[in-house]
Amino acid sequence: QVQLQQWGAGLLKPSGTLSLTCAVYGGSFSGYYWSWIRQPPGKGLEWVGEINHSGSTNYNPSLKSRVTISLDMSKNQFSLKLTSVTAADTAVYYCARGILSFDHWGQGTLVTVSS
Amino acid sequence: QSALTQPASVSGSPGQSITISCTGTSSDVGGYNYVSWYQQHPGKAPKLMIYDVSNRPSGVSNRFSGSKSGNTASLTISGLQAEDEADYYCGSYTSTSTVFGGGTKLTVL
Repeated sequence: QVQLQQWGAGLLKPSGTLSLTCAVYGGSFSGYYWSWIRQPPGKGLEWVGEINHSGSTNYNPSLKSRVTISLDMSKNQFSLKLTSVTAADTAVYYCARGILSFDHWGQGTLVTVSS
Repeated sequence: QSALTQPASVSGSPGQSITISCTGTSSDVGGYNYVSWYQQHPGKAPKLMIYDVSNRPSGVSNRFSGSKSGNTASLTISGLQAEDEADYYCGSYTSTSTVFGGGTKLTVL
């Protein structure tokens, strides 16, 4: 049974860098796309970006200049970095498996940007 | 990119059927058969209910069904149950990204 477990800092100051990691347990890491999706409090979902097993990435155009998604195949992990954060980046961030649809999700991490 | 358009809320009584619409453009919903639907209970991660317009993942009740006509996709839930009360989101592949709808709150009366 595939499980995604994520972690990272939950409180950031404006202009800081958001950093989250997601570990994949119980299933193949290769052959899939791995994504990050965020949800501002009380609002809808927003796709952040994705990476495949070969390291090819694709990012939301509105975030592209600030986002980096990377992977560590040896640990079955992938990570998200978002630079120059502002209050508008406050959200629950989810890691998920998939590209055309997302069938397994992490538990979510609330990241708050506040001075 | 613009979010897909969903009604803010829908409601129905136990046993009834409801339909949630998801309207996009020819660049997303209308252009690809890659529409998905997610159920989200408060404080929980979304759960995939429908993928590729009308396919159900293993374990999802056959009370949930999906369809598409032109630029509008629909999720139908038949035989409404109390546990169906949740937020529902549609998602669609585009040529460069994935876009979601704003979400619909389903209330079971």
